[in-house]
Amino acid sequence: EIVLTQSPGTLSLSPGERATLSCRASQSVSSSYLAWYQQKPGQAPRLLIYGASSRATGIPDRFSGSGSGTDFTLTISRLEPEDFAVYYCQQYGSSPPHTFGQGTKLEIK
Amino acid sequence: QVQLQESGPGLVKPSETLSLTCAVSGYSISSGYYWGWIRQPPGKGLEWIGSIYHSGSTYYNPSLKSRVTISVDTSKNQFSLKLSSVTAADTAVYYCARGVAVGLFDYWGQGTLVTVSS
Repeated sequence: EIVLTQSPGTLSLSPGERATLSCRASQSVSSSYLAWYQQKPGQAPRLLIYGASSRATGIPDRFSGSGSGTDFTLTISRLEPEDFAVYYCQQYGSSPPHTFGQGTKLEIK
Repeated sequence: QVQLQESGPGLVKPSETLSLTCAVSGYSISSGYYWGWIRQPPGKGLEWIGSIYHSGSTYYNPSLKSRVTISVDTSKNQFSLKLSSVTAADTAVYYCARGVAVGLFDYWGQGTLVTVSS
């Protein structure tokens, strides 16, 4: 089973700043099958990024993903008030289980 | 617009079977895609439970495989989850979702809280 470790656990930033979230896998994620989701309180997760760097439909271009192998990054270039939420990475490679990271909470400083 | 809606009992007794249904609108399940279940214990992270392809092939989380059954009813455009022998550890918000791959989900239901308690 691939274990995903996200850091930091909590990130405190102000609107307009740049956010960098990290996701490290315990073994290589095949074909960069790595996704990022955003979850706000009381809501279902929302797919942001798939294939490590492809934005899902309707996702603003301030969200970008990068990385390969075992190290992946989600970057939000300029934080908007609606971006403060919990972010999860997930690997969805060929072998289940398709595990999630423990999440990074992005909070307003 | 694809919409998913979970339904089922909000309270299940220990050792019994949790049963949930996900009704899909705006898309015909028989046309394609995977259909999955994900859960989230209160205040915790996400756990993939399993997925089913529109043709009926199933994929389960090995940690839950012995207790999980996911099925699809194309005539009603819905799919279902059964989780047997539940304990308090199975208390969670259960989400259904559409999968563009076995474990990659682009449309989600709003989620339903299931509490396991006597």
